[in-house]
Amino acid sequence: AQSVTQPDIHITVSEGASLELRCNYSYGATPYLFWYVQSPGQGLQLLLKYFSGDTLVQGIKGFEAEFKRSQSSFNLRKPSVHWSDAAEYFCAVFLLVGARQLTFGSGTQLTVLP
Amino acid sequence: GAVVSQHPSRVICKSGTSVKIECRSLDFQATTMFWYRQFPKQSLMLMATSNEGSKATYEQGVEKDKFLINHASLTLSTLTVTSAHPEDSSFYICSARESLALITEAFFGQGTRLTVV
Repeated sequence: AQSVTQPDIHITVSEGASLELRCNYSYGATPYLFWYVQSPGQGLQLLLKYFSGDTLVQGIKGFEAEFKRSQSSFNLRKPSVHWSDAAEYFCAVFLLVGARQLTFGSGTQLTVLP
Repeated sequence: GAVVSQHPSRVICKSGTSVKIECRSLDFQATTMFWYRQFPKQSLMLMATSNEGSKATYEQGVEKDKFLINHASLTLSTLTVTSAHPEDSSFYICSARESLALITEAFFGQGTRLTVV
């Protein structure tokens, strides 16, 4: 079955430390990949997306993600986390075939320690 | 990026009443809008896909008579929770995809916190 997996339910890092949030997908073809951030009680904001081309994509707020086809992964990274980055992060995939809808991972809650 | 406005942001209603949630694309035309439901500390679950001028497509397990979706124009979709009960309390989020775009991101509203008492 097609799926998006975020293995880490909750991650805690200290402010200024680096961050990596994991995302794996299982689809026959390369999907279109997204990372969204959600603050409490808010909608989703797009951080970055990958459609094709350079496998390292830059997003807003200093985030980047790398698409690795061999590992079916699209991990989100940030070199130095700020307290304002504390939020829920969702990886999502979109397929051109079939239902053509976004499918979300289960999310990773990020806590930032002062 | 494009803006999707969702209203209201919070609503409290009595059990048995109906609640309407609006989702508007402010600066683009959205042929397709999506309605999601999110339980606390969980991911977004797609409820239905709303296409302008036609009937919505509901996901398996979603009651179409309880969650009425209307997409009457290219900028507005509404979700009406009919005869709401406490178990319908949740966070509802809409998103919209720009028309004529084969591959595009979806833009999300700010969500509506529904509490049924």
